[in-house]
Amino acid sequence: QKEVEQNSGPLSVPEGAIASLNCTYSDRVSQSFFWYRQYSGKSPELIMSIYSNGDKEDGRFTAQLNKASQYVSLLIRDSQPSDSATYLCAVNIGSFGSGTKLNVKP
Amino acid sequence: EAGVAQSPRYKIIEKRQSVAFWCNPISGHATLYWYQQILGQGPKLLIQFQNNGVVDDSQLPKDRFSAERLKGVDSTLKIQPAKLEDSAVYLCASSSLSYEQYFGPGTRLTVT
Repeated sequence: QKEVEQNSGPLSVPEGAIASLNCTYSDRVSQSFFWYRQYSGKSPELIMSIYSNGDKEDGRFTAQLNKASQYVSLLIRDSQPSDSATYLCAVNIGSFGSGTKLNVKP
Repeated sequence: EAGVAQSPRYKIIEKRQSVAFWCNPISGHATLYWYQQILGQGPKLLIQFQNNGVVDDSQLPKDRFSAERLKGVDSTLKIQPAKLEDSAVYLCASSSLSYEQYFGPGTRLTVT
């Protein structure tokens, strides 16, 4: 079983819609959770971090954490074509999922 | 604030040759990471330094890979000898106490 699991996608949404990206993890005692965005041919870029159960909002992005279900998600509101990228979920310090590719169609 | 610097950006070598990558972290970041990212996969942590000490090198293939961080700032990652399966992007990242990692541009290694 992988430590961090993500659906590889692609996830296609129309411009202006909400994109929902999901991630599950296996280590029940995990404490820190991160979402990174990676454009093709570029390095990962930190979007959000979350440490406590519940929601954390930053602009158009909302991270949601449910430690009981070992589940973390990222919502992108009013999706733009520029949001098209691979989104990586990371748990604790160095455990990354394989990423979900998001396509936002104009 | 300057970001994480890496060099070279691209490297092509033949199998069994050696190669070295250099990383300069964000000023003040005590923690430095080296990752290997194979196309279509997430980054795989190779080694984590806290200042100039190794915190985690459990996934570093120590028979061929080595890394050092002298004086707790710059770091080098070396592969000797390289294998075809080492073809990947090697990413360096740094963080402060929050563990929010900031990545450099990466070095794309091709082993032929």
